[in-house]
Amino acid sequence: AQTVTQSQPEMSVQEAETVTLSCTYDTSESDYYLFWYKQPPSRQMILVIRQEAYKQQNATENRFSVNFQKAAKSFSLKISDSQLGDAAMYFCAYRSFDNYQLIWGAGTKLIIKP
Amino acid sequence: GAVVSQHPSRVICKSGTSVKIECRSLDFQATTMFWYRQFPKKSLMLMATSNEGSKATYEQGVEKDKFLINHASLTLSTLTVTSAHPEDSSFYICSAASGNYEQYFGPGTRLTVT
Repeated sequence: AQTVTQSQPEMSVQEAETVTLSCTYDTSESDYYLFWYKQPPSRQMILVIRQEAYKQQNATENRFSVNFQKAAKSFSLKISDSQLGDAAMYFCAYRSFDNYQLIWGAGTKLIIKP
Repeated sequence: GAVVSQHPSRVICKSGTSVKIECRSLDFQATTMFWYRQFPKKSLMLMATSNEGSKATYEQGVEKDKFLINHASLTLSTLTVTSAHPEDSSFYICSAASGNYEQYFGPGTRLTVT
């Protein structure tokens, strides 16, 4: 069975600086997807970034980028130029290539210091 | 596109009564819908998966007689918490998926049982 581990319950960063959130996973599959979701205080789940395992290129979305290391089963999220609006819970999630179900990490609370 | 709504956003009910939560996909047809429960500062816990026109598949430990799920159409799924008790108080989130296996999340419903 697949598992997702987020080892940082909480991280803090100064506004405008860069922060990296860690995620590792375990799977025997070769094709899958990885996601980072943001859950702000409103509790609406927002998709931040999506990575297909068969793509070697790391996904980026504006200030958000990932470092995907398939062999190491690592999928970290880098947030550049942190903004106050980035404060939220961040969840890493795994999905098999041909399955709907998401496997969730425990989450990391990100605090932005003004 | 890919908007999912939930109603109500908040509900307070008395112990012993039942409460229904609706989940709608507004601009796409959802072949599969998911219901999650989220405890404070915790990750999402999958309760059940429902496919339109068929019985829901419940995760281990979830009481199917307490949490009734109906997926009557391709745009609507309902979760009914029957004979609610204070320990059922939680944040409930639905998601809807179309043919591309991506899940789109509703804004959640906060249930308080007094």
